[in-house]
Amino acid sequence: SAVISQKPSRDICQRGTSLTIQCQVDSQVTMMFWYRQQPGQSLTLIATANQGSEATYESGFVIDKFPISRPNLTFSTLTVSNMSPEDSSIYLCSVVRDRGGNEQFFGPGTRLTVL
Amino acid sequence: SQKIEQNSEALNIQEGKTATLTCNYTNYSPAYLQWYRQDPGRGPVFLLLIRENEKEKRKERLKVTFDTTLKQSLFHITASQPADSATYLCALNAGGTSYGKLTFGQGTILTVHP
Repeated sequence: SAVISQKPSRDICQRGTSLTIQCQVDSQVTMMFWYRQQPGQSLTLIATANQGSEATYESGFVIDKFPISRPNLTFSTLTVSNMSPEDSSIYLCSVVRDRGGNEQFFGPGTRLTVL
Repeated sequence: SQKIEQNSEALNIQEGKTATLTCNYTNYSPAYLQWYRQDPGRGPVFLLLIRENEKEKRKERLKVTFDTTLKQSLFHITASQPADSATYLCALNAGGTSYGKLTFGQGTILTVHP
């Protein structure tokens, strides 16, 4: 398995500000993803964090709103920019091991509340 | 558009019985289907994966079936225990260039009563 940590675990932010969420993995992985889980909803893929190149965003998500960095194979950040109450969600990172199966390992999530 | 439905939002069963959860999909040709467990305040935890050319997979008290004709997967927990109470999510992946990208169902909240 892969051990994944996220910081912060939760935060309460004011409208119009930005928050950067960190994701750290205990081993090098090629594939890393960011998901959003809105209250009472399931997980929705935001983007694939690519090491050494720009992230690949899913339909409905844009780089200006959710800039992502992937400086190496064990770390990534997701920024939620110019926040509004609709951005209140749990944000999770996940990885697929390079030599494992196709199962994904998820971080514990960051619970964001925007006032 | 692609749609994944888990037929029960909530399922309540007695300890010792078999829990059966359903996942149906439309407008999708998954290469594989996965089941995850999510406890409150935690990220999903992988349970089982089944590929498009497989009919059934087992792991201890868990069994998954996959019928690509019916576009349906069934997830069974036998001899259920209160500790099995959680939200169970099915997730599909199309493979190929979409490798690793999962589309999740909305989840079924399972409660096992002692």
